[in-house]
Amino acid sequence: EDKVVQSPLSLVVHEGDTVTLNCSYEVTNFRSLLWYKQEKKAPTFLFMLTSSGIEKKSGRLSSILDKKELFSILNITATQTGDSAVYLCAVEVDNYGQNFVFGPGTRLSVLP
Amino acid sequence: DTEVTQTPKHLVMGMTNKKSLKCEQHMGHRAMYWYKQKAKKPPELMFVYSYEKLSINESVPSRFSPECPNSSLLNLHLHALQPEDSALYLCASSQVGGGGTGELFFGEGSRLTVL
Repeated sequence: EDKVVQSPLSLVVHEGDTVTLNCSYEVTNFRSLLWYKQEKKAPTFLFMLTSSGIEKKSGRLSSILDKKELFSILNITATQTGDSAVYLCAVEVDNYGQNFVFGPGTRLSVLP
Repeated sequence: DTEVTQTPKHLVMGMTNKKSLKCEQHMGHRAMYWYKQKAKKPPELMFVYSYEKLSINESVPSRFSPECPNSSLLNLHLHALQPEDSALYLCASSQVGGGGTGELFFGEGSRLTVL
């Protein structure tokens, strides 16, 4: 069974801190790994990673994938209260049909 | 146009009602998905349509009936639901293909309450 695990499940930090969120996976027929941010409504896309070792960066957020060790990390530097959200990791697989398997999410709370 | 539009945004129904959730996208995506999300849980896959054909059905009870009338539309027909079916129902779409097909685009969701 395809599985995506995230850690920590929740995290409380203060503004200005740097955080690292972890995602590991055990799947067959891996295609890509995606990070999403979810506040009150639908998840919003952050990054898609397909190749090992290539960092994707967007402002204060960055992410990297290790396909040998089967994990990815999402870094957020200089956190702000607006970063408070659930961060979801999803792996795209193709097992008798295309699918995206989600991890449980990391709930990040950034305090002022 | 990079939107997935879902209607209605909120729905309250009784256990004997029949209602439908609707989803539309005009990005030319040929894979469309229904996910169910309970509070403080990740999205759980219900159905996947690929080229308008049902490709994945994750053992969803028959009181949920999906329909893909064309490449832009996806419906979820609801009948005789239970209170535990109350959740946020998310529609999503993506390209079909190999090697990392790209982003899964989500709609805003339909929040369903079953009384």
